[in-house]
Amino acid sequence: IVLTQSPGTLSLFPGERATLSCRASQTVSSSSLAWYQQKPGQAPRLLIYDASNRAAGIPDRFSGSGYETDFTLTINRLEPEDFAVYYCQQYGKSPETFGQGTKVEIK
Amino acid sequence: QVQLVESGGGVVQPGRSLRLSCAASGFTFSNYGIHWVRQAPGKGLEWVTVISYDESNKYYADSVKGRFTISRDNSKKTVYLHMNSLREEDTAVYYCAKGKDSSASPSHFDDWGQGTLVTVSS
Repeated sequence: IVLTQSPGTLSLFPGERATLSCRASQTVSSSSLAWYQQKPGQAPRLLIYDASNRAAGIPDRFSGSGYETDFTLTINRLEPEDFAVYYCQQYGKSPETFGQGTKVEIK
Repeated sequence: QVQLVESGGGVVQPGRSLRLSCAASGFTFSNYGIHWVRQAPGKGLEWVTVISYDESNKYYADSVKGRFTISRDNSKKTVYLHMNSLREEDTAVYYCAKGKDSSASPSHFDDWGQGTLVTVSS
């Protein structure tokens, strides 16, 4: 399954809302879709799994939605530490695959 | 807390071999499948391979099939990635990650190591 993320780069001010899209080439079964945040020099960090469940310790300004082929990660009220690259990943069908990433940068 | 520590990376010539290790602590290692995910410099994430809790199931990405082998030693709480016939396109940071259960089924990843860099260059 090919995952296409858009936009490639999102330029926003702190406090604004970020809306990131992940589109799958075929239906992702059981909404088996996750979102990760990655900062330079660090490993990815799980934010959302099963399309809409926040991982442990993730602030509630992060939310996920969607099903079948269209998924969205929303970050409300961007904090300075939220500026990073975000990846979606599907694990409904082997092999698991990742999107190419969306960079959220400070405007 | 869960900790995964990779080691064994370095610079290697094309065609040569390298073995990576992933040492685990903070959880019942023998109850979980373990995955390897890699990231080429400046690029995205690519799933590489997975091993189930008891080594009964192992799966590989097409890009490494026949060249890479995954194994584990539950007594040492360590997973190994044996990489043969290395190519320049294998250059990447290699992360190990804990699966969501004991199987080798596709998974999201709650816990990752810090990664180890493998550079394949002549």
